[in-house]
Amino acid sequence: AQTVTQSQPEMSVQEAETVTLSCTYDTSESDYYLFWYKQPPSRQMILVIRQEAYKQQNATENRFSVNFQKAAKSFSLKISDSQLGDAAMYFCAYRAGWGGGATNKLIFGTGTLLAVQP
Amino acid sequence: DAGITQSPRYKITETGRQVTLMCHQTWSHSYMFWYRQDLGHGLRLIYYSAAADITDKGEVPDGYVVSRSKTENFPLTLESATRSQTSVYFCASSVTGESTRGYTFGSGTRLTVV
Repeated sequence: AQTVTQSQPEMSVQEAETVTLSCTYDTSESDYYLFWYKQPPSRQMILVIRQEAYKQQNATENRFSVNFQKAAKSFSLKISDSQLGDAAMYFCAYRAGWGGGATNKLIFGTGTLLAVQP
Repeated sequence: DAGITQSPRYKITETGRQVTLMCHQTWSHSYMFWYRQDLGHGLRLIYYSAAADITDKGEVPDGYVVSRSKTENFPLTLESATRSQTSVYFCASSVTGESTRGYTFGSGTRLTVV
């Protein structure tokens, strides 16, 4: 069974600095997708960035980028120029490639709570 | 996100009572899901549905019942609530075969069982 591990329950970063959140996963699949979700205090789940396993190029979205190491099964999130609004819980998630039933489910890590210090 | 609505946003119920959490989506997405969020566990899948009248268990289904008579609705019922079911519940939906995206989530229901 696939698993997702986030080993950092809490992280802290100074405003304008860079922080990296770690995520590792375990799967025997070759086709899959990885995601980072942000959950602010409002509870809303917001998709931050996604990565297709077949793409070697790391995904980027403005100040957010990932370091995808497929062989190591690692998928870390880097937040550059951290802002106060980045303070939130961040979840790493895995989804197997296209298919029906259980393969469509998202498997989540336990989350990393990020604090941003002014 | 306005396309998927959960109700109520907050609910307090007593042990042993039946309670139903509602989920409604307006996109006609085939897949719908129920997750519970607990500190230290992240989000865990309770039940999911691939289409109307098709449902299946997820990781933590015990004590829950779902139905999906219409594509747009996917209610979750706790038949006899227990304190261990105190949690935040999220409903989500996704498009069939579209794996490049994650899901679209509702805003969650915080349920407290006393």
